[in-house]
Amino acid sequence: AQSVTQPDIHITVSEGASLELRCNYSYGATPYLFWYVQSPGQGLQLLLKYFSGDTLVQGIKGFEAEFKRSQSSFNLRKPSVHWSDAAEYFCAAYSSASKIIFGSGTRLSIRP
Amino acid sequence: DTEVTQTPKHLVMGMTNKKSLKCEQHMGHRAMYWYKQKAKKPPELMFVYSYEKLSINESVPSRFSPECPNSSLLNLHLHALQPEDSALYLCASSQTRIGGTEAFFGQGTRLTVV
Repeated sequence: AQSVTQPDIHITVSEGASLELRCNYSYGATPYLFWYVQSPGQGLQLLLKYFSGDTLVQGIKGFEAEFKRSQSSFNLRKPSVHWSDAAEYFCAAYSSASKIIFGSGTRLSIRP
Repeated sequence: DTEVTQTPKHLVMGMTNKKSLKCEQHMGHRAMYWYKQKAKKPPELMFVYSYEKLSINESVPSRFSPECPNSSLLNLHLHALQPEDSALYLCASSQTRIGGTEAFFGQGTRLTVV
């Protein structure tokens, strides 16, 4: 079955440190992949997307993600986190049934 | 404008009440979605509308009744809900429901059933 896995439930990083959030997908064809961010009690904001082409995609708020087909991964990165980046991050993909399926999420905390 | 607007932001209703959640977008998107999100969980798909027609119902109980009156509006009618239906209800839209287009989400309606 098609799935999206985020192996890290909770990550804490120091402000100014680099960040990498992991995402693995299970797919037969080329997937359409997304990263969304959600602040407490809020909706989801699209950070970036991968449809095809360049495997390194740039998003908003200084985030980027790299699609690696050989590893079935789409990890999110940021070179220097800010306290305002504390939130829940969801990796997502379009399934073959034209549904968006989400990973279980990674909660990011920032240490002052 | 990439905005999806949901009203109300908060709703408290009794188990015998009837209420409706509303969602609006003016991006010309032809696919609209309802998701339910419980605390500390990812969003779960409930319904998908494509060109104002219901195309996916994820076996949602009949106490939730979606409606798409036109291409910009999506409603979710609620009746005889249970306390376990308390959650954040998110609306989203995309150009189509075919893969290759991103979905934009509203801020959600926080529903509490008492």
